[in-house]
Amino acid sequence: DVKVTQSSRYLVKRTGEKVFLECVQDMDHENMFWYRQDPGLGLRLIYFSYDVKMKEKGDIPEGYSVSREKKERFSLILESASTNQTSMYLCASRLRWGTLRHEQYFGPGTRLTVT
Amino acid sequence: SQQGEEDPQALSIQEGENATMNCSYKTSINNLQWYRQNSGRGLVHLILIRSNEREKHSGRLRVTLDTSKKSSSLLITASRAADTASYFCATASGATNKLIFGTGTLLAVQP
Repeated sequence: DVKVTQSSRYLVKRTGEKVFLECVQDMDHENMFWYRQDPGLGLRLIYFSYDVKMKEKGDIPEGYSVSREKKERFSLILESASTNQTSMYLCASRLRWGTLRHEQYFGPGTRLTVT
Repeated sequence: SQQGEEDPQALSIQEGENATMNCSYKTSINNLQWYRQNSGRGLVHLILIRSNEREKHSGRLRVTLDTSKKSSSLLITASRAADTASYFCATASGATNKLIFGTGTLLAVQP
């Protein structure tokens, strides 16, 4: 089974801090994704990566950046945390482009609170 | 932007009953997927139906897709208390098959 792990289940940070959220998958998947989930809004895509060192903006990239230096690890960075970034953050991976295996595998989520 | 909209937003049924959730979307799709999320946890993929398919089964799950109406339904038969969760539809579109999720249906199965 694919396993996707996230570095923290709960995180509390102060406004203005730089925040790193880490995600690791163990099945050699090429594609990785970061979403945030808010009540009434569902999941929204922040950034995704097709492969190592590649990244693409999703629907709500403002205030975030990402890093993919190794295939198994995809990091989400909040350059200067703000209270409106309080949310549940979900990482996911997918095998690769161009296959019939379109399903995504999700980590358990990080609930981030910015005070 | 929201592609999928689920209906109803919340559903409460008794164990053993069937649960039906609906999803509507706006643009053409490559496939439509359903995911389950237990409270405060990550999402788990349930089933995928391609745009050229009309119905698909997996265990107690049955998914239908009507591309002319841009809608899908998920039926869970003989529900169990363990089926209590939020259910999301997600549509995959474009060359990258990027997923766009709906807002979900919260299902409560009473024992």
